[in-house]
Amino acid sequence: QQPVQSPQAVILREGEDAVINCSSSKALYSVHWYRQKHGEAPVFLMILLKGGEQKGHDKISASFNEKKQQSSLYLTASQLSYSGTYFCGTGHQGGSEKLVFGKGTKLTVNP
Amino acid sequence: DSGVTQTPKHLITATGQRVTLRCSPRSGDLSVYWYQQSLDQGLQFLIQYYNGEERAKGNILERFSAQQFPDLHSELNLSSLELGDSALYFCASSVAAGLGSPLHFGNGTRLTVT
Repeated sequence: QQPVQSPQAVILREGEDAVINCSSSKALYSVHWYRQKHGEAPVFLMILLKGGEQKGHDKISASFNEKKQQSSLYLTASQLSYSGTYFCGTGHQGGSEKLVFGKGTKLTVNP
Repeated sequence: DSGVTQTPKHLITATGQRVTLRCSPRSGDLSVYWYQQSLDQGLQFLIQYYNGEERAKGNILERFSAQQFPDLHSELNLSSLELGDSALYFCASSVAAGLGSPLHFGNGTRLTVT
């Protein structure tokens, strides 16, 4: 039931783009995205609910493909501050209300 | 600052002991979640409470228990501690019980079992 994130790690130069994927084996109801910097608590980025909607947050946006049971996080023109580990958390309709997180994608942005 | 308060920040104890971790949610939030994060591991869901009632349970060991009190603060009790229980324990709160509300994480309690 744990979502699968890919890639596990990615290294970028400032200004480059990245995509992080999150896939589930079960039908999705909601997908949460969080960023955790080393030694800190995870910080909320965005939530997507089923319906294939796309959300944006400055240069970070995400899509939710209900049919494919996956979500993607898009980081555009990356900044040094984007470095951290990104987690997706998934919730499933008809099941319990637990939010299960993937193992994370470590993003490093270099100057 | 997320508004979620966790105490203590650090805890060092011996195997076989029992500890209590405390969490105060953000003002107005009724839901509390507990997660365990070990080295190189993701966030493992333990348990969720909403307005004092248990709403969802994850891979929480029988040695672990939790509760949410009428003032909405929550405690996670870990007993018969083992070396493998060493981890960072996060509490998060949200305004509602469902999965449509963001989680706000506290800074965690780092537990070291020696």
